[in-house]
Amino acid sequence: DVKVTQSSRYLVKRTGEKVFLECVQDMDHENMFWYRQDPGLGLRLIYFSYDVKMKEKGDIPEGYSVSREKKERFSLILESASTNQTSMYLCASIGGTENTEAFFGQGTRLTVV
Amino acid sequence: GENVEQHPSTLSVQEGDSAVIKCTYSDSASNYFPWYKQELGKRPQLIIDIRSNVGEKKDQRIAVTLNKTAKHFSLHITETQPEDSAVYFCAASIMRFQKLVFGTGTRLLVSP
Repeated sequence: DVKVTQSSRYLVKRTGEKVFLECVQDMDHENMFWYRQDPGLGLRLIYFSYDVKMKEKGDIPEGYSVSREKKERFSLILESASTNQTSMYLCASIGGTENTEAFFGQGTRLTVV
Repeated sequence: GENVEQHPSTLSVQEGDSAVIKCTYSDSASNYFPWYKQELGKRPQLIIDIRSNVGEKKDQRIAVTLNKTAKHFSLHITETQPEDSAVYFCAASIMRFQKLVFGTGTRLLVSP
């Protein structure tokens, strides 16, 4: 079974804090993604990575950055958390170009107060 | 970039009825169209997908159809059951790039 694990299920942070969301996958997948899920807006892509040290902006990258130092780990960073970043964050991974199924982590519910 | 629209946002049916969820996409280069089901409090999981060289695919009670000319694809669930209640997301991507763009989701409620 593919496992995608996010470091926290629930997180409460203060406005202005630097926040790290960690995601680890154990299937040697090349591609990893960070999505944000909000009611009525679906899953919106923040950033993705095709390989170690590579990153691409998604549709809503403002206020976020990412890090991929190792193939199995993809981190989402909120440089200075704001209340409008309160949301559910989902990490996903997909194997090589012949594979198409996205495997999701369990999600991190982030509240910024 | 790709934009995926999904309708309806909510759908209520009686057990045993059929349910249809429709999506449209904007990028004619997209060639892969999966559907994900997300039960309450759980992560999204793939339930069926279709590639652009196929017009229809079926798996037991669920089926997906694709109209490339109109850039439409739909999910059909027959003989719905209460356990089908969930949020369903359509998505589109160019397979070579693996980047999935999701629709806004449909909350399906199946009443006994």
